[in-house]
Amino acid sequence: QVHLQQSGPGLLKPSQTLSLTCAISGDSVSSNTDAWNWIRQSPSRGLEWLGRTYYRSEWHNDYAVSVKGRITISPDTSKNQFSLQLNSVTPEDTAVYYCARGWAISNWGQGTLVTVSS
Amino acid sequence: DIVMTQSPDSLAVSLGGRATINCKSSQTILFTSNNRESLAWYQQKPGQPPRLLIYGASGAFTRDSGVPDRFSGSGSGTDFTLTINTLQTEDVAVYYCQQYYAVPLTFGGGTRVEIK
Repeated sequence: QVHLQQSGPGLLKPSQTLSLTCAISGDSVSSNTDAWNWIRQSPSRGLEWLGRTYYRSEWHNDYAVSVKGRITISPDTSKNQFSLQLNSVTPEDTAVYYCARGWAISNWGQGTLVTVSS
Repeated sequence: DIVMTQSPDSLAVSLGGRATINCKSSQTILFTSNNRESLAWYQQKPGQPPRLLIYGASGAFTRDSGVPDRFSGSGSGTDFTLTINTLQTEDVAVYYCQQYYAVPLTFGGGTRVEIK
């Protein structure tokens, strides 16, 4: 049974950096068959995929164009987790953020409401 | 980007009735190497993350573990359907389709299912 546990702050001011972590149990971030995603959801944007990291003999990352240049997704093999950093946030980045496993997403974190407000 | 368009936006179905939700992709999403449509369906209830219901398998769609058999998926090419037979009160939710053929992964806008 795979479980994803998210952690990180939920209130930010504009221009700050959003940092969230997703701890994995029941699977490995270094799995050769899985991918580890960050997805957000807001009333205005719906479900929006932000990016992913995955291991296939070496580490790979893919990012959405909408956040490219501001986003970093990093694995931490020593803690079996992965993280999201989103720089220079604005109120438009207000959303519920989910970490998620897979291509068809079979496991989701509990969600973190991130509010960007001055 | 592959655009996923769902219809209708919402529907009301009688208890025990059938709900049919449509999803159209802007291009084909079939992995020819394994004959799998790269399409998934999710159910989301308020305050919860989406739950995977159905995903593409070789030549068909399959339910995720624990998903009742009243949920079924069908379709090919660019047109796909989620059917909920014998609607139960616990099926009231928003349903989403998603393609995983290419990045960015993209989702439909959602269909709200209610009891009539």
